[in-house]
Amino acid sequence: KNQVEQSPQSLIILEGKNCTLQCNYTVSPFSNLRWYKQDTGRGPVSLTIMTFSENTKSNGRYTATLDADTKQSSLHITASQLSDSASYICVVSLKAAGNKLTFGGGTRVLVKP
Amino acid sequence: EAGVVQSPRYKIIEKKQPVAFWCNPISGHNTLYWYLQNLGQGPELLIRYENEEAVDDSQLPKDRFSAERLKGVDSTLKIQPAELGDSAVYLCASSSQGDTEAFFGQGTRLTVV
Repeated sequence: KNQVEQSPQSLIILEGKNCTLQCNYTVSPFSNLRWYKQDTGRGPVSLTIMTFSENTKSNGRYTATLDADTKQSSLHITASQLSDSASYICVVSLKAAGNKLTFGGGTRVLVKP
Repeated sequence: EAGVVQSPRYKIIEKKQPVAFWCNPISGHNTLYWYLQNLGQGPELLIRYENEEAVDDSQLPKDRFSAERLKGVDSTLKIQPAELGDSAVYLCASSSQGDTEAFFGQGTRLTVV
């Protein structure tokens, strides 16, 4: 069973609308949780990084939240743009394994005009 | 600053042939990762190096995959012989020692026919 589960697997939204992606993890204890954006044909690029003690982090129109008690994180995209079309991957760094990165399967977002 | 550089970007080979991928990490980064990413899924770790030492190769199929990181800088990943199921994107990433922020290259898309 994957230790990092993301939902939905994919979604389609209209340009200008908001959306929220979910990440549930069982990896514990972790060093940090991050969200990556991966454009088609590109490597993942880090959007946000949160440590155990942080519960929110923003990067422009991207806002990530973290609830360490329920082991859930979300990524909120505000006023979506066509360039937001990509896969968004939740990654947990496992402290006990030398900060090994555990990746979720990603959510594929398509923004339509 | 140059990012992680991978080559080639694309490779098409016939099954049973050998193939090699090359990665040049960000200058000064001691940690280097090779990941495999299947279509629509998150990256899966193949091997992690700390300098020239492979510290985690538990997921590397050693019967056909091999990797090296001579002098603790550049790295190569080899598959011999390639199988149809090896078709995927092979991502290289690097990070500073003690820093879990991993920077990814653009990947090599391998197609085995």
